[in-house]
Amino acid sequence: QQQVKQSPQSLIVQKGGISIINCAYENTAFDYFPWYQQFPGKGPALLIAIRPDVSEKKEGRFTISFNKSAKQFSLHIMDSQPGDSATYFCAARSGGGADGLTFGKGTHLIIQP
Amino acid sequence: DVKVTQSSRYLVKRTGEKVFLECVQDMDHENMFWYRQDPGLGLRLIYFSYDVKMKEKGDIPEGYSVSREKKERFSLILESASTNQTSMYLCASSPKQGDEQYFGPGTRLTVT
Repeated sequence: QQQVKQSPQSLIVQKGGISIINCAYENTAFDYFPWYQQFPGKGPALLIAIRPDVSEKKEGRFTISFNKSAKQFSLHIMDSQPGDSATYFCAARSGGGADGLTFGKGTHLIIQP
Repeated sequence: DVKVTQSSRYLVKRTGEKVFLECVQDMDHENMFWYRQDPGLGLRLIYFSYDVKMKEKGDIPEGYSVSREKKERFSLILESASTNQTSMYLCASSPKQGDEQYFGPGTRLTVT
């Protein structure tokens, strides 16, 4: 049973455009929703995260939108740059920091110059 | 600077061999995790540990075991490697009260 569904699997965006990646979850006990960015040959790194008490969080060009009633959250990358080309994973967790994350399947993002 | 290191970047083993994957973190973190990453499947949690000698099963623990004898080191053990365990293995750590997990570069294991 896939607890976090991520779409699309791959995405091509022109430089300067907006990249949008969507995730949906099933477990209402989830209370922490991070996005990780992974470059080839590297481990994933935390990009931005949100908790369900807010509907939006922005850090620079990256924004998470969260819809608790729909059990959905999304990553928006504004003014997308070729350096943003990477694989992005959404994730979710219930309980505290000692618990592991449940990841989506990932989105391969390509920003064309 | 935060650092999680994994003993090998690439490893090739034969079916039936016992395989040890080592992970070391230098951040004095209490929590450590092992995930496997497969194309189209994302990352899946194998085992995690919140303290020395403590371990918890993740979503896919079958065929694996772990050892945590020291705070900084978390080992993943494949008792009898099989071809379906060919994968990228990622180790991560986080502080006791923290949310962010810090990942190592991964070990790409091939079982032939």
